[in-house]
Amino acid sequence: KNEVEQSPQNLTAQEGEFITINCSYSVGISALHWLQQHPGGGIVSLFMLSSGKKKHGRLIATINIQEKHSSLHITASHPRDSAVYICAVEKTSYDKVIFGPGTSLSVIP
Amino acid sequence: EPEVTQTPSHQVTQMGQEVILRCVPISNHLYFYWYRQILGQKVEFLVSFYNNEISEKSEIFDDQFSVERPDGSNFTLKIRSTKLEDSAMYFCASRGTGTLLHFGNGTRLTVT
Repeated sequence: KNEVEQSPQNLTAQEGEFITINCSYSVGISALHWLQQHPGGGIVSLFMLSSGKKKHGRLIATINIQEKHSSLHITASHPRDSAVYICAVEKTSYDKVIFGPGTSLSVIP
Repeated sequence: EPEVTQTPSHQVTQMGQEVILRCVPISNHLYFYWYRQILGQKVEFLVSFYNNEISEKSEIFDDQFSVERPDGSNFTLKIRSTKLEDSAMYFCASRGTGTLLHFGNGTRLTVT
């Protein structure tokens, strides 16, 4: 079983829709990262969370440590948000950041 | 804004040859990572490096691979005797304590 799971695997949305991507993990963590990868492109860090909620522009990330779950929300989605969104966790006591499988988002005008 | 730089952006090599992928992390970062992404697949952890030594490595990171920080700024990944299945995008990342990960743009390795 993968230590980090994401859902959905693929997501298509209309421009303007509110989007939620979920991440669940099965290991103890010290922090969780949300990353963005555009097609053929590099990887950009969006958030690092160890508790609560963070907001940056139209992006909101939340984490529930007890439930081992995090969500990434995109408000007023736009075609330029089309990318793969990756959840990655820092395992407690290990200097290792493990990536989830990613969620491929396509926002249609 | 400081960034992680990787060279070369694309490396083509013949099977059995050795390659060295180079990375310059952000100067005040302490933790360094190599990841790879085979085309169409998810990003996989290879190795982490802290305080001038390997701190973690995955099962992928066998004797074929090695990492070095030869001069205090560069961070290299050496792949000995490359195989076809080593063809992938290799990403370097660095971070400080409790900070975001910063990734380089990657090196696309093609083994023929």
